[in-house]
Amino acid sequence: AQKITQTQPGMFVQEKEAVTLDCTYDTSDPSYGLFWYKQPSSGEMIFLIYQGSYDQQNATEGRYSLNFQKARKSANLVISASQLGDSAMYFCAMREWGRSGSNYKLTFGKGTLLTVNP
Amino acid sequence: NAGVTQTPKFQVLKTGQSMTLQCAQDMNHNSMYWYRQDPGMGLRLIYYSASEGTTDKGEVPNGYNVSRLNKREFSLRLESAAPSQTSVYFCARGGSQGNEQFFGPGTRLTVL
Repeated sequence: AQKITQTQPGMFVQEKEAVTLDCTYDTSDPSYGLFWYKQPSSGEMIFLIYQGSYDQQNATEGRYSLNFQKARKSANLVISASQLGDSAMYFCAMREWGRSGSNYKLTFGKGTLLTVNP
Repeated sequence: NAGVTQTPKFQVLKTGQSMTLQCAQDMNHNSMYWYRQDPGMGLRLIYYSASEGTTDKGEVPNGYNVSRLNKREFSLRLESAAPSQTSVYFCARGGSQGNEQFFGPGTRLTVL
């Protein structure tokens, strides 16, 4: 079974509108972290936001927020007021603590390509 | 700026050739990582180093070796390159908060 599932291969949004990118995850570890990365066409991986499994509040970083629904095992990324520069591939990733030897690994989803239209 | 540099940016090899991908960080962090990214997929961990002098296998280590000689540098070696190793390789370092990972610009490798 996939650990990270991103069901939207591509998304389109109008400039200045908000958009939600979906991410569901699968783990039996009680302690884990969820991450979102942005990969523009230039290829670099840019860290956006982090949510820990024990965090009570949803994480926010500027225009990015993470809608964390633990019971549903979802960690959707919300981008408010989209800008043309937000056009990129977005990856959801998870890091699990608690199993020896695997707690350093980030497990990535396959990504969602976001296109912001003017 | 993630404080991670990688060389080279691009490389073309013939099957059977060897090469070393270099990675250096300027943030003095303990943990460093090597990932590969194949088309249509997220990144997969090849090897990681929790601290200077230690290395461990990740998800896809076959065909690779690594070396962490000091805190700053973490290199990835392909002893006998194969076409299946055509990929984009990313080096990453740990973050000060202990959770996040910050990536270098990547090396695009083609094996013919």
